[in-house]
Order: sequence, then structure tokens, then C-alpha cells
Amino acid sequence: GEDVEQSLFLSVREGDSSVINCTYTDSSSTYLYWYKQEPGAGLQLLTYIFSNMDMKQDQRLTVLLNKKDKHLSLRIADTQTGDSAIYFCAGLSRRVLTFGTGTRLTIIP
Amino acid sequence: NAGVTQTPKFQVLKTGQSMTLQCAQDMNHNSMYWYRQDPGMGLRLIYYSASEGTTDKGEVPNGYNVSRLNKREFSLRLESAAPSQTSVYFCASSELDGDGIQYFGAGTRLSVL
Repeated sequence: GEDVEQSLFLSVREGDSSVINCTYTDSSSTYLYWYKQEPGAGLQLLTYIFSNMDMKQDQRLTVLLNKKDKHLSLRIADTQTGDSAIYFCAGLSRRVLTFGTGTRLTIIP
Repeated sequence: NAGVTQTPKFQVLKTGQSMTLQCAQDMNHNSMYWYRQDPGMGLRLIYYSASEGTTDKGEVPNGYNVSRLNKREFSLRLESAAPSQTSVYFCASSELDGDGIQYFGAGTRLSVL
């Protein structure tokens, strides 16, 4: 099955850009997603990209997809304290989502 | 505008007790899912129901059963709870096909003593 990996922690200064990386193994993933989880809450969809795209931008968020290397990244521009959360990447294959372990983003004032 | 509703929000059980986690969605979605979240392990799929009347095992189904009661409701049952089932449980729903976006409930925090 799919295997999705992320680093566990990232610290960024307020106002800088955050880049969260993810690698996956299943090249048949049709969609790849970024979800955000704030403390004590469920997962909220941030953005997603179809596998035939290599970039998607949505306000402060930029998603880059490198299918050859099976690498997905999420860039958050001008990181704010409200961006503190756990970020999960996930891949959809055969109607099943497989999640990474999540990256905890900490904002340094 | 409820989306996906899970009950209860918190539960403490003793080893060997049983309980059912409830999930309902009001988005007319065909597919529903149960996940568990453990520290450092992301979300792992327990069971899913691609459409009303069908259920399938996910990555970690042992110790659980599910019932797709109707299109709106998908319940998860622990017949004999074990400490290893201490976790946060999330229910999600999505359309059967298309972009596959899943919408999540707020979670049930379960402790088994």
C-alpha cells in the first residue's frame, strides 16, 4: 500500500515562509492533499492538487508536486501565529486516503 | 451547517467494556470512514464504507466492527475494549468519486484503563 512520510517538527519565525515536505510511494495517487489540525480539533482541508499538475497557488499557500521524485511540498508565505498546527499530507489511491505522520509547525515570535 | 458530527466527544472505559462511537453526516455523501490517530503515527484507517450497504477493512480493523446504518450514519463498535485502543477516533465522509476530499468530524477521545 501507500506509504507517506513527513518530518515531525518545523519551527519558523513569524513573517518568514514555511515549507513542509512530504514523500509518498504510490505513483497511482490521483489526488494529494494538505490538511491542517489545530489542537483538540479535527482535520481541516487546506488545499489539494491533482496528480497531473505540478503547482497550485491559493493565497498564501503554494503546493508543489514532483511526480518523478514522488515529493509534495506546502509553502506558507508570511507565516503567522495562527498557522501553528499539525499539517498532514495525504494521497488518494483506489478511493482510500493514506496520511503522513504530520508535521508540527511552531511559530517563533 | 453541521457537516460531520461525532458523539461522544470524550469517553473513558475499563478494559473489557464495550461501546459504540456514533457518526452522522448531513452532506449527502456516499462514502464514510473511521480513523484512529495516535501520536507520531498520523491517521490510520480502521474501516470504511464506500457506499450505503458496503463496508471494508482498512489498515487496522482488528478489535473493531462497523455498521453503515443508512446513508447518513456510520458507527464504530468496540466489543471488548483494550488499553491499546486508547486513541482519538475520527469519522470522515466524502463523495464516492471525484476529488476525494474527506470532511472530518471533531473526534472522540477515548481512554481505556
